[in-house]
Amino acid sequence: DAKTTQPTSMDCAEGRAANLPCNHSTISGNEYVYWYRQIHSQGPQYIIHGLKNNETNEMASLIITEDRKSSTLILPHATLRDTAVYYCIVRVAKDNAGNMLTFGGGTRLMVKP
Amino acid sequence: DADVTQTPRNRITKTGKRIMLECSQTKGHDRMYWYRQDPGLGLRLIYYSFDVKDINKGEISDGYSVSRQAQAKFSLSLESAIPNQTALYFCATSAGRGQVSANYGYTFGSGTRLTVV
Repeated sequence: DAKTTQPTSMDCAEGRAANLPCNHSTISGNEYVYWYRQIHSQGPQYIIHGLKNNETNEMASLIITEDRKSSTLILPHATLRDTAVYYCIVRVAKDNAGNMLTFGGGTRLMVKP
Repeated sequence: DADVTQTPRNRITKTGKRIMLECSQTKGHDRMYWYRQDPGLGLRLIYYSFDVKDINKGEISDGYSVSRQAQAKFSLSLESAIPNQTALYFCATSAGRGQVSANYGYTFGSGTRLTVV
């Protein structure tokens, strides 16, 4: 899997958009960008994923640059419950042996009142 | 009921004891995984299984063993627990190659907090 780089921590005001960046300059053509989050001591939760087009679901939006070397996860109206560690992971979707989900340090997002 | 259920939720055990952590899933996924998380760190893969007859070591398998009793059940054992195995343990599942999934993401359980004293 390609390596990713994320800021260690970010703050966001409640009700504002939270924009979480991720760099993945060595991403391969068949690799997707996945985002997970982990709320304190809970199991990680899938948020969204994309290949090259921007994606949106009920939780978030994912913006991927045209060269696919970076992406941004957007939480449009952050709430206190969005305080969590957010992991950006690059991997093939339908994995083969030896291609498991691996977690880096992630970004610790603190949503403040 | 949760898609991925881990038992127990919390466990305190003594050094040298054998302990088993259990995981069951209702997702129908072929693939199951055990991860470990230490305070302030990311998740590290202990073992994974792509189907009932397939077991593979992850990056930190020493001191652990697993058993895939059925598609829905994957247990992790610590044969002789030691204090540095104190951690939060997560089980996860994902769709296999022959299965269709909306996103091929992983579904995680709520975790087992294990303390070895």
